[in-house]
Amino acid sequence: KAGVTQTPRYLIKTRGQQVTLSCSPISGHRSVSWYQQTPGQGLQFLFEYFSETQRNKGNFPGRFSGRQFSNSRSEMNVSTLELGDSALYLCASSLVGGNNEQFFGPGTRLTVL
Amino acid sequence: GEDVEQSLFLSVREGDSSVINCTYTDSSSTYLYWYKQEPGAGLQLLTYIFSNMDMKQDQRLTVLLNKKDKHLSLRIADTQTGDSAIYFCAEGGRGSTLGRLYFGRGTQLTVWP
Repeated sequence: KAGVTQTPRYLIKTRGQQVTLSCSPISGHRSVSWYQQTPGQGLQFLFEYFSETQRNKGNFPGRFSGRQFSNSRSEMNVSTLELGDSALYLCASSLVGGNNEQFFGPGTRLTVL
Repeated sequence: GEDVEQSLFLSVREGDSSVINCTYTDSSSTYLYWYKQEPGAGLQLLTYIFSNMDMKQDQRLTVLLNKKDKHLSLRIADTQTGDSAIYFCAEGGRGSTLGRLYFGRGTQLTVWP
C-alpha cells in the first residue's frame, strides 16, 4: 500500500506570495491532519479534516487554511507569506476510529525569502 | 507549560540499551505514541500503546507506561548507529480533539560506534 504523499517536496517563495501544498493520504484513510515543524516551535498542529469537514483547528492565523476533497486528498493554503512561515509542513493520515494511528508523509519544505 | 515533555539529548554506545523518557499532562489521552524522524524526513510511527496498558514490546522496542505518574518511556535494545535520529513522544485520542496529536520537542539520540 502506498504511503502518504506530499507535493511539492520543496518550495521557495517570497514574502507576500501565497502557496498551496497538497497531501494524498493512504488509500482508505479518511482523516488528514497538517502540522508545521520549525526548530523554534517544534511540531505545531494546524488542522484536521475528516470527510471534507474541518474537525479540529490549531492556533494559527486565518492566513492558514485548508480543505479536503471527496477522495480524501487535502490541500493547505498559506496566503500573504511571512518569513516566519518557513518550515517543514507535514501531513498525516489515519483511518479514524480504532487506535488512531497517524502516518506521516515526507513533508514539504517551504522557504520564504 | 508544554503538554508533553522530553529531554532533548541522549548519547549511547552501539550495542547498549537506550531509554527515552516522556511525561504528559492529559489523563484523558487514549493513545501514546513514539515517532522517529531522520534528517530531512517525515515522522515514522515506531509504536504506540493504549492508555489501559502498562507495557508493550515490539522486537527491540519496549514501551512502558505509568499512568499514575503520566510517564512514558521507550527502550531500544541493542542500539545501532542506524537508530540515531530524533524521537518524538506524542499523545492523542483526547475526547475533545480526537484527531489531533500533541508532541514533545523530541529527543536527539546519538549512537556512537
